[in-house]
Amino acid sequence: QKEVEQDPGPLSVPEGAIVSLNCTYSNSAFQYFMWYRQYSRKGPELLMYTYSSGNKEDGRFTAQVDKSSKYISLFIRDSQPSDSATYLCAMSASSASKIIFGSGTRLSIRP
Amino acid sequence: KAGVTQTPRYLIKTRGQQVTLSCSPISGHRSVSWYQQTPGQGLQFLFEYFSETQRNKGNFPGRFSGRQFSNSRSEMNVSTLELGDSALYLCASSVGLAGGPNEQFFGPGTRLTVL
Repeated sequence: QKEVEQDPGPLSVPEGAIVSLNCTYSNSAFQYFMWYRQYSRKGPELLMYTYSSGNKEDGRFTAQVDKSSKYISLFIRDSQPSDSATYLCAMSASSASKIIFGSGTRLSIRP
Repeated sequence: KAGVTQTPRYLIKTRGQQVTLSCSPISGHRSVSWYQQTPGQGLQFLFEYFSETQRNKGNFPGRFSGRQFSNSRSEMNVSTLELGDSALYLCASSVGLAGGPNEQFFGPGTRLTVL
């Protein structure tokens, strides 16, 4: 079993919809949680960074961490075609530990 | 502040050759991590260097090696290239201090093709 599980998709939604992306994990020691966006043939770009449980909002993006369920989510409101990309979740136990990435979810926003 | 830079951006090599990739981290970042990304395997961790020492290591064979210089720049070397080494090689930098933030910022990658 992988330490981090992420549905690879593809996920296709109409423009303006709310998108929910999720990851589950098995290592209860994880405390740092990140979401990255990767466009085709580019390096991943950090979107959201959270420590421990709770919610964090940045513009149209909201990250949620539920450590009791070992489940993290990224919500995208008012989705735009420019949000079409692969989204990777990532997490680590400490700032000195290696970061474990999910396999990525391919998202397509239809105009 | 300049981002993470990687050189070269594209490389074509043949089986059996060796290759060296370079990564310059964001100014002030002391940690550099290397990843291999392929369509089938996703993003796989190779190793991390912090203050010129390898701090974490993934599950890659010894053909994959790296080093970090005193200015935090890092190089990754792959010897005896195999067809399966064709991939996008990404490096990411972070502040890296224990107890501090560990967001990683990625470079654009080096696309390696092995023929």
